[in-house]
Amino acid sequence: SQTIHQWPATLVQPVGSPLSLECTVEGTSNPNLYWYRQAAGRGLQLLFYSVGIGQISSEVPQNLSASRPQDRQFILSSKKLLLSDSGFYLCAWRSGQEWETQYFGPGTRLLVL
Amino acid sequence: GQNIDQPTEMTATEGAIVQINCTYQTSGFNGLFWYQQHAGEAPTFLSYNVLDGLEEKGRFSSFLSRSKGYSYLLLKELQMKDSASYLCAVSDSNYQLIWGAGTKLIIKP
Repeated sequence: SQTIHQWPATLVQPVGSPLSLECTVEGTSNPNLYWYRQAAGRGLQLLFYSVGIGQISSEVPQNLSASRPQDRQFILSSKKLLLSDSGFYLCAWRSGQEWETQYFGPGTRLLVL
Repeated sequence: GQNIDQPTEMTATEGAIVQINCTYQTSGFNGLFWYQQHAGEAPTFLSYNVLDGLEEKGRFSSFLSRSKGYSYLLLKELQMKDSASYLCAVSDSNYQLIWGAGTKLIIKP
């Protein structure tokens, strides 16, 4: 069966510090991968998605970036965090079939102070 | 533009039935998903509709009318553990999910 991991679970960072969140998927190959952010009490905002190694599509211009160095690894980064980057960051995967469901990792709660 | 509308919050009584509505306007349609999200946790998949009609899964059912741009999630025999947010998402013409803001369901004893 497939599993998706995210770490860390919780992170408190000062404004201006860098960020690196990691997501890995097991039990599948060539998945579509997604990074979402959810502000408190709000819906999901798609940040980035990837259909393959080195292929990243950005949905929202911001100070975040994403990379996919390996087939089942997806990394979200920032060089300098802003207060507005606080939120719940969720990684999701889906098989290459378009009608398939997206499945979410446990999430990382980021607080920027 | 693309838009998904759901009520912000609903309250229901344990053991009762509740219907959560979702209306959508999207560029293309390749199916509608319902997810459940407990506070502080990730969303989990509940149901998928791509054809008109009702899909039943135990206590949960989901209905779709493509001509009306409308879906609902029906929860029967409500339990306290059903207290959560319920997210409606539509797969658009590019197979990307467009998300509603979610409906927070509060269950009272």
